[in-house]
Amino acid sequence: GEDVEQSLFLSVREGDSSVINCTYTDSSSTYLYWYKQEPGAGLQLLTYIFSNMDMKQDQRLTVLLNKKDKHLSLRIADTQTGDSAIYFCAEESRGQNFVFGPGTRLSVLP
Amino acid sequence: KAGVTQTPRYLIKTRGQQVTLSCSPISGHRSVSWYQQTPGQGLQFLFEYFSETQRNKGNFPGRFSGRQFSNSRSEMNVSTLELGDSALYLCASTFGRGQGHYGYTFGSGTRLTVV
Repeated sequence: GEDVEQSLFLSVREGDSSVINCTYTDSSSTYLYWYKQEPGAGLQLLTYIFSNMDMKQDQRLTVLLNKKDKHLSLRIADTQTGDSAIYFCAEESRGQNFVFGPGTRLSVLP
Repeated sequence: KAGVTQTPRYLIKTRGQQVTLSCSPISGHRSVSWYQQTPGQGLQFLFEYFSETQRNKGNFPGRFSGRQFSNSRSEMNVSTLELGDSALYLCASTFGRGQGHYGYTFGSGTRLTVV
């Protein structure tokens, strides 16, 4: 079945860039997503990328997709303390449910 | 526009009891999915409803059930609660699978504690 993997922790200094990585197994995924979860809250959709794209930029966020290696990354430029949260990668295969990774806890140090 | 509303936000129950959680999706969304989130297991898919029909079900025991009403509101029920059912239960709505890049919109969740 589908499986999505992420590293569990990432720590960066305020102002630096953060890069959160994700690997997935389902090559038929049509869309891949990044969600953010702050303490005590649900998941907030940050951005998505269609599977025929290599890159998508949205303000401070850059998503890179390497479909051959089934690797997805989220880069956050100029990381702020408000970016501290858990980030989930998710894939959606056509007509199938979303599969989420375990989440990467991003800590931003002042 | 209103987001996904889950009630109640917090719940404490004792072992053996049953519980019903409610989810009101975004207006116009017909698909509602439920997830269980725990520190050890992460986000695990429970079930999905679309137009009052269960379309998909995760790998949970029969004590977990759900339903969807004609207005797309959904409820999930857990009977004979166990300590391991303590979790954050998240509801998510979307227009429908395969409808494009809409993704899920999540509610804030119901935090269930079983004592």
